[in-house]
Amino acid sequence: GQQVMQIPQYQHVQEGEDFTTYCNSSTTLSNIQWYKQRPGGHPVFLIQLVKSGEVKKQKRLTFQFGEAKKNSSLHITATQTTDVGTYFCAGNQGGKLIFGQGTELSVKP
Amino acid sequence: DGGITQSPKYLFRKEGQNVTLSCEQNLNHDAMYWYRQDPGQGLRLIYYSQIVNDFQKGDIAEGYSVSREKKESFPLTVTSAQKNPTAFYLCASSIRGRNTGELFFGEGSRLTVL
Repeated sequence: GQQVMQIPQYQHVQEGEDFTTYCNSSTTLSNIQWYKQRPGGHPVFLIQLVKSGEVKKQKRLTFQFGEAKKNSSLHITATQTTDVGTYFCAGNQGGKLIFGQGTELSVKP
Repeated sequence: DGGITQSPKYLFRKEGQNVTLSCEQNLNHDAMYWYRQDPGQGLRLIYYSQIVNDFQKGDIAEGYSVSREKKESFPLTVTSAQKNPTAFYLCASSIRGRNTGELFFGEGSRLTVL
């Protein structure tokens, strides 16, 4: 079936360390979105990537969309305790938005 | 402020009872969605609606029903036919039809079946 695989499921880091989560699709994506969900909260939109090879930055966050438009990554530089939460990718497969399982990030001060 | 309001935030239900979750938006968005979230899983689409008086099944529609009588409102009924209803339910909206832009989520409704 249609799936977007996201790894890792959990990541524990020391404050100041970097963090990366990856999403992979077996089929080409029209676009991919990223969301952040704080503990006990609801998902909040971060960004949408559309073009092959696209790279976008938001302060310490760097988002990439693969050349084949089948994979994407979110990299956080020098994590802070405010980065805690679950990060979801959502890939558009043939007009259908498929969410990855999410990566739960915990940051130890 | 514009946004999406879900109610109730917490709900307990006995087995065999139907329950309706409310979702209201004042963003003037055309499309609305219901997702279910279980621990360790991504969001799974239950139903979506792109226009008033029209809606389509998502991936896990069995045991659920919806209506879209007004643009602002998209209530979800969890029926007794839903075998495992305990979950976190999220309503969302987007400006246009499916997958053409960001989703705005409500704060969610946590349903527990006793």
